[in-house]
Amino acid sequence: DAKTTQPNSMESNEEEPVHLPCNHSTISGTDYIHWYRQLPSQGPEYVIHGLTSNVNNRMASLAIAEDRKSSTLILHRATLRDAAVYYCILRAADSSYKLIFGSGTRLLVRP
Amino acid sequence: EAQVTQNPRYLITVTGKKLTVTCSQNMNHEYMSWYRQDPGLGLRQIYYSMNVEVTDKGDVPEGYKVSRKEKRNFPLILESPSPNQTSLYFCASSSPRGTDTQYFGPGTRLTVL
Repeated sequence: DAKTTQPNSMESNEEEPVHLPCNHSTISGTDYIHWYRQLPSQGPEYVIHGLTSNVNNRMASLAIAEDRKSSTLILHRATLRDAAVYYCILRAADSSYKLIFGSGTRLLVRP
Repeated sequence: EAQVTQNPRYLITVTGKKLTVTCSQNMNHEYMSWYRQDPGLGLRQIYYSMNVEVTDKGDVPEGYKVSRKEKRNFPLILESPSPNQTSLYFCASSSPRGTDTQYFGPGTRLTVL
């Protein structure tokens, strides 16, 4: 499975945008880019996923580089509730039900 | 509401005393799995199941058993727990496509003395 690289931690101020980067230079053509997050004392929860085009949903936006070797999760207005560990995960479309979690990025949101 | 439930949420037990952690999902998902989460090691898959009566080992299956007799339930069994199985356990489910969301339960914190 292709590997992802994320910064260990990031900080943001409340109500400001947050850009969480992820590098995946060995991504294959069939790998989808998924983001999950884990709030304190909770199980991971799905945030967003994409293949090639940028994606938006009610939680976040996902910007994917043209060469697909990197992506950025964008939280448009961070809230205190967004403080969590964010995981960038690659999944092949036709297999690999297992999610391979790296160490993720711990996001701290300052009030 | 779509959800994955686990019971118990917290459990303290002693070495060698058999225990079962239950997992149930209400989304009619074919795929279910168990992960454990440990500091510095992240989340690792223990066992998974592609459908009823179909189970397979994940990355760290030693010391664990599972069964999938019904689609909605996927219990994790520790026949003879040991202290190195002290961990935070998560159950997850999803439909078969690799692009689909996995839903996680709230976690079970297990301490084996």
